[in-house]
Amino acid sequence: EVQLLESGGGFVQPGESLRLSCAARGFTFSIYAVSWVRQAPGKGLEWVSGISDSGDSTYYADSVKGRFTISRDNSKYTLYLQMNSLTAEDTAIYYCAKGRDCAGTCSPHFDYWGQGALVSVSS
Amino acid sequence: DIQMTQSPSFLSASEGDRITITCRASQTISNDLNWYQQKPGTAPKLLIFAASSLQSGVPSRFSGSGSGTDYTLTISSLQPEDFGTYYCQQSYSTVITFGQGTRLEIK
Repeated sequence: EVQLLESGGGFVQPGESLRLSCAARGFTFSIYAVSWVRQAPGKGLEWVSGISDSGDSTYYADSVKGRFTISRDNSKYTLYLQMNSLTAEDTAIYYCAKGRDCAGTCSPHFDYWGQGALVSVSS
Repeated sequence: DIQMTQSPSFLSASEGDRITITCRASQTISNDLNWYQQKPGTAPKLLIFAASSLQSGVPSRFSGSGSGTDYTLTISSLQPEDFGTYYCQQSYSTVITFGQGTRLEIK
């Protein structure tokens, strides 16, 4: 059974940092791209960042570029999101999502999601 | 970035109704369009990928269609458990974007 388990969320003040982790189980982590998607309270879904299967390629939304860093450790089946210079606008539930693209034959999509980790930024 | 615009933002319909949600991209996305359902307090669930492919385990009353910039999600006969918010998402660009969501209420 595929499982994605986020951790590391919490309450921080503006300007502080936080690192999220996502532990993957039930699939071969190293052959799939993965992403972080967030949802502010009462709002819609916002893709934050993605990373290729090898970790060689990373992608970011403009809203977090330069402040957030995505990485992965395939030997530990774990995805990370280092979040620096946090602001109130970063308050959200952060989901990790497994990517799938049918070995390059279909459009990439997110077929499994974690339960989410809450990040709250407030003074 | 590619902007995704869904309509309507809110929809109220009765059990057994056929409903359609529309998603328009700001540029052509070549069927790189996916649909998700989210119920309150839970993670999104994949319904349709590549514009029209039904995800395994999703009931056949859900279907997707479209091309170019315009796509639709159809539920052929609404069931009580179909309430929630529906999102389209494009993966044509490496910068992924979602529509703003359509909240579906069952009367």
